[in-house]
Amino acid sequence: QKEVEQDPGPLSVPEGAIVSLNCTYSNSAFQYFMWYRQYSRKGPELLMYTYSSGNKEDGRFTAQVDKSSKYISLFIRDSQPSDSATYLCAMISGGSNYKLTFGKGTLLTVNP
Amino acid sequence: KAGVTQTPRYLIKTRGQQVTLSCSPISGHRSVSWYQQTPGQGLQFLFEYFSETQRNKGNFPGRFSGRQFSNSRSEMNVSTLELGDSALYLCASSPGQGETQYFGPGTRLLVL
Repeated sequence: QKEVEQDPGPLSVPEGAIVSLNCTYSNSAFQYFMWYRQYSRKGPELLMYTYSSGNKEDGRFTAQVDKSSKYISLFIRDSQPSDSATYLCAMISGGSNYKLTFGKGTLLTVNP
Repeated sequence: KAGVTQTPRYLIKTRGQQVTLSCSPISGHRSVSWYQQTPGQGLQFLFEYFSETQRNKGNFPGRFSGRQFSNSRSEMNVSTLELGDSALYLCASSPGQGETQYFGPGTRLLVL
């Protein structure tokens, strides 16, 4: 079983839709959770960073973590064509191990 | 502040050759991590350097190596290239270990 599972999509939605992106993980040691956005031919850029279970909101983006279910989500409200990208979840266990473990990414297309 | 820069951006090599990729972190960042990104495996951690020392290593063969210089710039080297080494190689820097990682645009390597 992979440590982090993410639905690869692709996901295609109309402009203005609410988008839900999800990841599950198996390693209970993961403590920090991130969402990165990667445009074509670019490196990933950090969107959201959370530590505790619950919701964290930043503009149109909401990150949700449920540690008991080992499940994280990213919600995008009022999606825009500029949101079209690959979204990657990433996790880190902390301690002395600082490597990020990524999901494979979900390709999102928002159609005008 | 300038972002993470990687050179070269594109590279074509043949099997058996070796290659060196370079990464300049954000000014003031002391930790540099390297990742390999392929369509099949997604983003996979190669290694992390902090204060010129390799602190963490992923599950890659010894053909993959790296180093970090006193100015925090880092290089990674791949010897005896194989077709399967074709990938986007991403460098990420952070102020210190365990802190938010910022990615460069990557070096796209094609092995023929």
